[in-house]
Amino acid sequence: DTGVSQDPRHKITKRGQNVTFRCDPISEHNRLYWYRQTLGQGPEFLTYFQNEAQLEKSRLLSDRFSAERPKGSFSTLEIQRTEQGDSAMYLCASSRSGTEIYGYTFGSGTRLTVV
Amino acid sequence: DAKTTQPPSMDCAEGRAANLPCNHSTISGNEYVYWYRQIHSQGPQYIIHGLKNNETNEMASLIITEDRKSSTLILPHATLRDTAVYYCIVRAPHTGNQFYFGTGTSLTVIP
Repeated sequence: DTGVSQDPRHKITKRGQNVTFRCDPISEHNRLYWYRQTLGQGPEFLTYFQNEAQLEKSRLLSDRFSAERPKGSFSTLEIQRTEQGDSAMYLCASSRSGTEIYGYTFGSGTRLTVV
Repeated sequence: DAKTTQPPSMDCAEGRAANLPCNHSTISGNEYVYWYRQIHSQGPQYIIHGLKNNETNEMASLIITEDRKSSTLILPHATLRDTAVYYCIVRAPHTGNQFYFGTGTSLTVIP
């Protein structure tokens, strides 16, 4: 069990560019979550996958955001036409069905800076 | 999910017990109390959860009042590595997949 891995750890991009982040969950975890965290705030839910199906999306996930989990293993989060307001820490978490009562395991996040 | 109220910041001397309070006066009967912490530049880390009874694990103890309207997370012997933001969350199981973190309590352990 190597934990939840996120790549890259840091990303600096110019406004208007597209960026993609990757999350590798714990191998036996079939549920995967994306959260966003801005400075001084707690993490906010973006979206959730069970296996390869995206089952829930927050209103925070605008049309410029898309998330995929094609084979039910790793997931990607893409932001198109980035804006300065997208600057945040993007966190991924995973869990196994039936064990959510014990909480999720989070990765260390990808910090995005849009300049 | 019920709203929680936590003090924005607290200090604790190294080696002493850190007692972090949380108010959740509108908690429902089926909602659990969860505590996570987030060390700077890392993702949140699950600490403990409980429903009615007090709970203890290798990281901390959770004391829930009899009326369940408040709780206290206790770190029995705080170390410098316990400096973090601590989030108290109330949530019913199987009611969705979101944890509402709020802004938490920033705990600073002082040498």
